[in-house]
Amino acid sequence: DQQVKQNSPSLSVQEGRISILNCDYTNSMFDYFLWYKKYPAEGPTFLISISSIKDKNEDGRFTVFLNKSAKHLSLHIVPSQPGDSAVYFCAARENTNAGKSTFGDGTTLTVKP
Amino acid sequence: DAGVTQSPTHLIKTRGQHVTLRCSPISGHKSVSWYQQVLGQGPQFIFQYYEKEERGRGNFPDRFSARQFPNYSSELNVNALLLGDSALYLCASSLAGSTNYGYTFGSGTRLTVV
Repeated sequence: DQQVKQNSPSLSVQEGRISILNCDYTNSMFDYFLWYKKYPAEGPTFLISISSIKDKNEDGRFTVFLNKSAKHLSLHIVPSQPGDSAVYFCAARENTNAGKSTFGDGTTLTVKP
Repeated sequence: DAGVTQSPTHLIKTRGQHVTLRCSPISGHKSVSWYQQVLGQGPQFIFQYYEKEERGRGNFPDRFSARQFPNYSSELNVNALLLGDSALYLCASSLAGSTNYGYTFGSGTRLTVV
């Protein structure tokens, strides 16, 4: 029973265009959602987060949108750069167990020059 | 500033053996969490320790145990290794027990069980 799902294993976009990475969840107890980026041979790096009481959070080229009724969130990267090529993980945190994050299986983003 | 450091970086063990993985959090961070990442999947939560006490445990068998020391470093122990324990083991640290700004992960220990 996977509570956080990233249904697209991979995504390829052209440099300068928008990258949209999607994530769905099933657990209504999740109160915070986070995106991490992972390069090969490195640990995940925190990118951006959003509280369940908000529907949008923006940080530079990165914007996360949350649709609570649909239990869906997305990460938008504009404009995409070749250095953004990595695996992106969506993660969620329960309000009753704030120390634990539940991760999706990741989406590999390739940004072509 | 040193980030989260994990040792060893790679390890090969035989089925049935025991393994100890080590993690040093960022200086000043009091929380350490352990995750297991199997190839092609996302990290799975194993344990969290905060101020030397266990604060959370994931759905892993009792063969997995951990502890946190007074200097906030941590060890993950796995007994009676199985082939399925082969994975990347990630350690993550944060200032407090929970954070809205994500955890800082180490580069992991790649464990291969043969």
